[in-house]
Amino acid sequence: DGGITQSPKYLFRKEGQNVTLSCEQNLNHDAMYWYRQDPGQGLRLIYYSQIVNDFQKGDIAEGYSVSREKKESFPLTVTSAQKNPTAFYLCASTPLTVPGDYGYTFGSGTRLTVV
Amino acid sequence: AQSVAQPEDQVNVAEGNPLTVKCTYSVSGNPYLFWYVQYPNRGLQFLLKYITGDNLVKGSYGFEAEFNKSQTSFHLKKPSALVSDSALYFCAVRALNSGNTPLVFGKGTRLSVIA
Repeated sequence: DGGITQSPKYLFRKEGQNVTLSCEQNLNHDAMYWYRQDPGQGLRLIYYSQIVNDFQKGDIAEGYSVSREKKESFPLTVTSAQKNPTAFYLCASTPLTVPGDYGYTFGSGTRLTVV
Repeated sequence: AQSVAQPEDQVNVAEGNPLTVKCTYSVSGNPYLFWYVQYPNRGLQFLLKYITGDNLVKGSYGFEAEFNKSQTSFHLKKPSALVSDSALYFCAVRALNSGNTPLVFGKGTRLSVIA
């Protein structure tokens, strides 16, 4: 089945540690997105990429980094510079062949907790 | 700039009664509008979208939404609520002529259907 897979489902980070969240899709979608979800704040865009080897900052990119070396993969690294990383992270994708005509397909999310 | 407002953090409705979850938006030009639903610790699932055409859009699970251009609204409705409809609902928008800019999401409305 086609879909978008996020791993791990739960992740614990120690203070000062970098962690990487995985996002893989087999939908042949062009664009991929990372959102952060906090209670009462909705979804806030961290980074997005519309083509391999290119990505743009979203509204809250500080303390995060991404790469897009393959069309299928868009990993997110939460660096030690992100002071409040505890949140639910969602990855999404969409094709761009008919711009704007498709909603996003979301992964099941990764819950990151600082310990 | 694009924005979405979901004025109610929480909506409570009795099972069998009609439900409405409100959404208003602001974009330059014509909008693409979407509704998504999120169950606990899961990603967002697409419910319905408005691109062009009829102002009343029908979607998954018996939900529908009415696009009102003069009021810049896109309220989600269902004639008869089920307990299983209890979830978090997100409205999202992007402008029709904005290229492939990311969707902007509202903060979400928690729907609670009481048996």
